[in-house]
Amino acid sequence: QVQLVESGGGVVQPGRSLRLSCAASGFTFSSYAMHWVRQAPGKGLEWVAAISYDGGNKYYANYVTGRFTISRDSSKNTLYLQMNSLRAEDTAVYYCARDPSVGVTIRYYFDYWGQGTLVTVSS
Amino acid sequence: DIVMTQSPDSLAVSLGERATINCKSSQSIFYSSNKKNYLTWYQQKPGQPPKLLIYWASTRESGVPDRFSGSGSGTDFTLTISSLQAEDVAVYYCQQYYSTPYTFGQGTKLEI
Repeated sequence: QVQLVESGGGVVQPGRSLRLSCAASGFTFSSYAMHWVRQAPGKGLEWVAAISYDGGNKYYANYVTGRFTISRDSSKNTLYLQMNSLRAEDTAVYYCARDPSVGVTIRYYFDYWGQGTLVTVSS
Repeated sequence: DIVMTQSPDSLAVSLGERATINCKSSQSIFYSSNKKNYLTWYQQKPGQPPKLLIYWASTRESGVPDRFSGSGSGTDFTLTISSLQAEDVAVYYCQQYYSTPYTFGQGTKLEI
C-alpha cells in the first residue's frame, strides 16, 4: 500500500535552515508528481510546493518562493524540502502528499498524505 | 489568489441525519474546455492527515462510502453526508486546483 513517511522536523531559530525528507513506498515514485502541504497548529491547510514526476518542473507558493526548494531523488524514492531563512509563520506540520496523476500532468490535488512532521520556528 | 470560503464554520448533526457543508470560491473554478470543476473535498480527523473524499467536485474517491456526495459548479459547491455516522466526526476542507496558489477553505468542524 502507498506509504509516505516524513522526517526532519524540529525546533529551529528564525533565519536558520532545515531540510525535510519524505520516504515513499508502495507505488512507482518516479511516475508521480509530489507536493508539500503545511498546516499551522490549529489552523487550515496551505499548499507549499510541487515537483513534477521527473523533477524537471518545480512550483512554489509565493510565500515560500526564494526560501524553499523542493527536490526528489527517485533512486532513493525520497522527496525533499529545503527550507532556508525560516520565519515564525513557517511553524506548521509539513505533509508530503502524492498527486494522483501519472506522468507529465500535475493535477494539484492530493490522493495520499503522510502523517506529517512538525517544524517549529522559535528563538 | 482564489479565496475559498466554507460555511458554516461548525455544524452539529444527529446520527442518521443529513449534513451539508458549503464552499464558495471567489472566482469560477469551472474550466470550459473540459467542462470540469477543479474542486476537491477532504476529511481530517484529529491527529490524522487529510483524506481525499471527492475530486472534480462530484467524483467520489475509491473506497469512500456512498453517503458522501459532492455537487455544484462555477463558484458554489456542496458536500453532503446523507446519513451521518459516528466515524464522520471530523473537519472537512474544500480545495481548488484551478490556479496557483492551490487554496483551501478554512474548514468546517462536523460534530454529533
